[in-house]
Amino acid sequence: EDQVTQSPEALRLQEGESSSLNCSYTVSGLRGLFWYRQDPGKGPEFLFTLYSAGEEKEKERLKATLTKKESFLHITAPKPEDSATYLCAVQARNSGNTPLVFGKGTRLSVIA
Amino acid sequence: NAGVTQTPKFRVLKTGQSMTLLCAQDMNHEYMYWYRQDPGMGLRLIHYSVGEGTTAKGEVPDGYNVSRLKKQNFLLGLESAAPSQTSVYFCASIDRPHPNYGYTFGSGTRLTVV
Repeated sequence: EDQVTQSPEALRLQEGESSSLNCSYTVSGLRGLFWYRQDPGKGPEFLFTLYSAGEEKEKERLKATLTKKESFLHITAPKPEDSATYLCAVQARNSGNTPLVFGKGTRLSVIA
Repeated sequence: NAGVTQTPKFRVLKTGQSMTLLCAQDMNHEYMYWYRQDPGMGLRLIHYSVGEGTTAKGEVPDGYNVSRLKKQNFLLGLESAAPSQTSVYFCASIDRPHPNYGYTFGSGTRLTVV
């Protein structure tokens, strides 16, 4: 059974205080690992897809990295507008477009 | 271009009542999904569709039915609502796997069953 575990559940940072969110996974052959951002009362918004160990992707203050067992979302010098819940999901390498399996998310609060 | 539109946005049902949640997408996407999101549980897949006229069960399908008669619409039905179905329901769609984009989600339907 495919599983995704995110840690910590919640993280409180001061503005400018860099940190990382963790996503560990078990999947029967990884097709892709996805990061989403979700603001309160809204649907998740796509951030990144990573496909192979060693791959990195960046967007503004966010950088996602991938190993064979986990992914990290690094947040550099965060601002209050980065406050949101960050979701990690995996897609198994089966035929067709296998549905994503999501973790429970990390709720990030950035304090000015 | 509206993306994924869910209706209604909010609904309160009494136990035993039925209702249908509508998801409409205008991007000509093949694949559509229904997830529910509960505190501490994350997003869990209810049902999904890989094309017009097809449906498949996800992780938590009991108590729900779905239909995909038209490519752009994916309906989620509750035949006899139960308090355990109180949740926020999200619909998502995607055309095909691509490294630069993922699912497009709707803004959700907040359902309370009393």
